[in-house]
Amino acid sequence: QVQLVESGGGVVQPGRSLRLSCAASGFTFNSYGMHWVRQAPGKGLEWVAAIWYDGSNKYYADSVKGRFTISRDNSKNTLFLQMNSLRAEDTAVYYCATEGIVAASALDYWGQGTLVTVSS
Amino acid sequence: DIVMTQSPDSLAVSLGERAAINCKSSQSVLYSSNNKNYLAWYQQKPGQPPKLLIYWASTRESGVPDRFTGSGSGTDFTLTISSLQAEDVAVYYCQQYYNTPRTFGQGTKVEIK
Repeated sequence: QVQLVESGGGVVQPGRSLRLSCAASGFTFNSYGMHWVRQAPGKGLEWVAAIWYDGSNKYYADSVKGRFTISRDNSKNTLFLQMNSLRAEDTAVYYCATEGIVAASALDYWGQGTLVTVSS
Repeated sequence: DIVMTQSPDSLAVSLGERAAINCKSSQSVLYSSNNKNYLAWYQQKPGQPPKLLIYWASTRESGVPDRFTGSGSGTDFTLTISSLQAEDVAVYYCQQYYNTPRTFGQGTKVEIK
């Protein structure tokens, strides 16, 4: 069965960096696009970034463009989100999600999320 | 960017009654070449990640009860729960995947009256 496990969250000071990972299993990782979606405490869902199955194309929300970098290692079935110049407003649970394994281009499988808290 | 607007923000429905959530996009998410609406619905229960319910605006994900129905086309969509069950208490989000950024609606909280 499809499994996505995020890690790397924690408490970090404003301006510092953090790298999130998403370990994938149960499907052919190098065949599917992957996304990061975040949710600030008590708030709604915000799409963050996406990457094609082969890493050739990457897309970002304006709120993170130039600060965050999405990448993947298909040999290790792992998705990453490098977050630099972190701000208080980046505080959120970060979810990784698959695109289109069973549901066209929708986000069909989600991890449990990892909490990032940006605070001094 | 395509702005997704849901209504209402919250609703309380009696068990067994019908619940309807609306989602409006700021531009059409209907792709003319395949006549498909690039619109999905997600359910999020407290403390859990979102779960995909509906894609292509009206295709139910495998295992989703048939009391959940998605409808609409172009810019106006509806998620209907035909007979609300206790386990349906959640926040529901629409999302367009017509282009990036893949914007979500603000969410609609469904509660039991």
